[in-house]
Amino acid sequence: KAGVTQTPRYLIKTRGQQVTLSCSPISGHRSVSWYQQTPGQGLQFLFEYFSETQRNKGNFPGRFSGRQFSNSRSEMNVSTLELGDSALYLCASSLQGSNEKLFFGSGTQLSVL
Amino acid sequence: DAKTTQPTSMDCAEGRAANLPCNHSTISGNEYVYWYRQIHSQGPQYIIHGLKNNETNEMASLIITEDRKSSTLILPHATLRDTAVYYCIVRGYGSGNTGKLIFGQGTTLQVKP
Repeated sequence: KAGVTQTPRYLIKTRGQQVTLSCSPISGHRSVSWYQQTPGQGLQFLFEYFSETQRNKGNFPGRFSGRQFSNSRSEMNVSTLELGDSALYLCASSLQGSNEKLFFGSGTQLSVL
Repeated sequence: DAKTTQPTSMDCAEGRAANLPCNHSTISGNEYVYWYRQIHSQGPQYIIHGLKNNETNEMASLIITEDRKSSTLILPHATLRDTAVYYCIVRGYGSGNTGKLIFGQGTTLQVKP
């Protein structure tokens, strides 16, 4: 069974631009979560989607948004990019998103110049 | 904030057992202890989890104290490929926890030849 797939692997943007990251969960998994990892703040939870609905949300500004499609694939969008948005963005999937293990992708490394 | 405390770093000789401690003195009765690890430039990988009984799988063993205030992850025969950051996470049920893991700073385990 294929793992969690994230595209692209690397991305370079400039301040003020917007970016869209993609995540394909493991087949059959309906919950998709997004995380941001930076050297200073570590791994932080952004939000979680289940059945095309945002079900849980972390403490990030509204510039960070996401959506989930009927096939459970998910996208994350960051608008008006700031230098501080440079990070590794990780996606994780699980069957239901409840107290079960999460499977992570390899992430998208975003650099904002 | 993370509900766990871990040593910042540890060394282990290749072939020996690696014992990684974690303190979670404020854990609630329905919260599980999870362990993940992150090898450089990859997404976190699930290792093991438990509620109050000791657990073992093909990767590791988890020993939880009787009062559940601390636990130890044991890698029985560490190899160089086990060099990674190990995260101990306390996670409960509930709508506020779906898809969400709260990561601390973790323990950097260096396995040496």
